[in-house]
Amino acid sequence: AQSVTQPDIHITVSEGASLELRCNYSYGATPYLFWYVQSPGQGLQLLLKYFSGDTLVQGIKGFEAEFKSSQSSFNLRKPSVHWSDAAEYFCAVVLRAGGTSYGKLTFGQGTILTVHP
Amino acid sequence: EPEVTQTPSHQVTQMGQEVILRCVPISNHLYFYWYRQILGQKVEFLVSFYNNEISEKSEIFDDQFSVERPDGSNFTLKIRSTKLEDSAMYFCASRALTGGRTDTQYFGPGTRLTVL
Repeated sequence: AQSVTQPDIHITVSEGASLELRCNYSYGATPYLFWYVQSPGQGLQLLLKYFSGDTLVQGIKGFEAEFKSSQSSFNLRKPSVHWSDAAEYFCAVVLRAGGTSYGKLTFGQGTILTVHP
Repeated sequence: EPEVTQTPSHQVTQMGQEVILRCVPISNHLYFYWYRQILGQKVEFLVSFYNNEISEKSEIFDDQFSVERPDGSNFTLKIRSTKLEDSAMYFCASRALTGGRTDTQYFGPGTRLTVL
């Protein structure tokens, strides 16, 4: 079945430590890939997106993500986490073509990031 | 920077009552969406709207739900007779019509609906 999976529901890191949030997808063809962040009381904000080309994508707030076709993964990384990065992170996909999908996003479960000082 | 706004931020209603959730998308955007997130679950697509009509809807979006763009700025979601299971955070999103499916969807802060 088509799905987006974020295996980690909750991750805790220390401030200054590196971070990797996992995302796997299961689709017949590689979809368009997105990472969104939701801070408490805020809407979903786009961090970065991948369509084609360079498999390492740079985003806002110092985040990057790497697309790996062989692993059907699109993991989000940050070399040094700041306390303000504490939030919930969502991986999402949009189908490339076909059907009547007008760009609807299909989301993973979300990963809650806690940052210890 | 332009943003999507939603009102109210929190709505409490009795089961069986009608509610209208309001959204003001970014002004030059042409595609509009509603999503919802039940506590502890995934963000789920409800409906997309373009050119004054529904372009796609999910199984969740049954006859109890309707959407409307009553004027040039607002985009509303109406739930005709609320159920307990409609309690969720409802997000509105909009996007421009430039690159197609790769365009960024911009989300509002959400309306938390609580059905008692």
